[in-house]
Amino acid sequence: NAGVTQTPKFRVLKTGQSMTLLCAQDMNHEYMYWYRQDPGMGLRLIHYSVGEGTTAKGEVPDGYNVSRLKKQNFLLGLESAAPSQTSVYFCASSYSLTTVDQFFGPGTRLTVL
Amino acid sequence: LAKTTQPISMDSYEGQEVNITCSHNNIATNDYITWYQQFPSQGPRFIIQGYKTKVTNEVASLFIPADRKSSTLSLPRVSLSDTAVYYCLVMDSNYQLIWGAGTKLIIKP
Repeated sequence: NAGVTQTPKFRVLKTGQSMTLLCAQDMNHEYMYWYRQDPGMGLRLIHYSVGEGTTAKGEVPDGYNVSRLKKQNFLLGLESAAPSQTSVYFCASSYSLTTVDQFFGPGTRLTVL
Repeated sequence: LAKTTQPISMDSYEGQEVNITCSHNNIATNDYITWYQQFPSQGPRFIIQGYKTKVTNEVASLFIPADRKSSTLSLPRVSLSDTAVYYCLVMDSNYQLIWGAGTKLIIKP
């Protein structure tokens, strides 16, 4: 099993450009999450999904959109990137909405110039 | 809303026991308190969970008082490879996941 994978691993954008981050999990988990982690900071939840076709806002949703068209995939979109969105983005999945057993991907390092 | 508080950093020496405490109020009454470990350039990984009292696994112990307003992660006989950031994770009464800011633990030889 690959667990949770993220694509791409690194990306540099110019202000105003758009991009989509892809997260895939092969554990048949219902719940998936997108977090951002700024240097020296903890994790902040952007959006999460409680199942295929359903999403919800987290702590810092502004400037991001998400979609969960397939159970195994969770996409994070930036429509118009800003320097404040420079961060490391982590995807995670879990079998239920619980603090336990969140499985994380390796992260995507995004720089917005 | 729940709020968590952890020390920003700690250091210790190889072979010592390290205790990291997280304070958390207004947490959900029916969910676990969980701790994660994160190495540089990696995502966090699960270490231990507990509901109340004491839980022990092969890498750590977790102590939770009856009021569940705090939890203490205990790492016995640490080694250099335990140098990492440690996060507590709780769920608040509105079922929102609340991560601690993380404690950077540095183990010295």
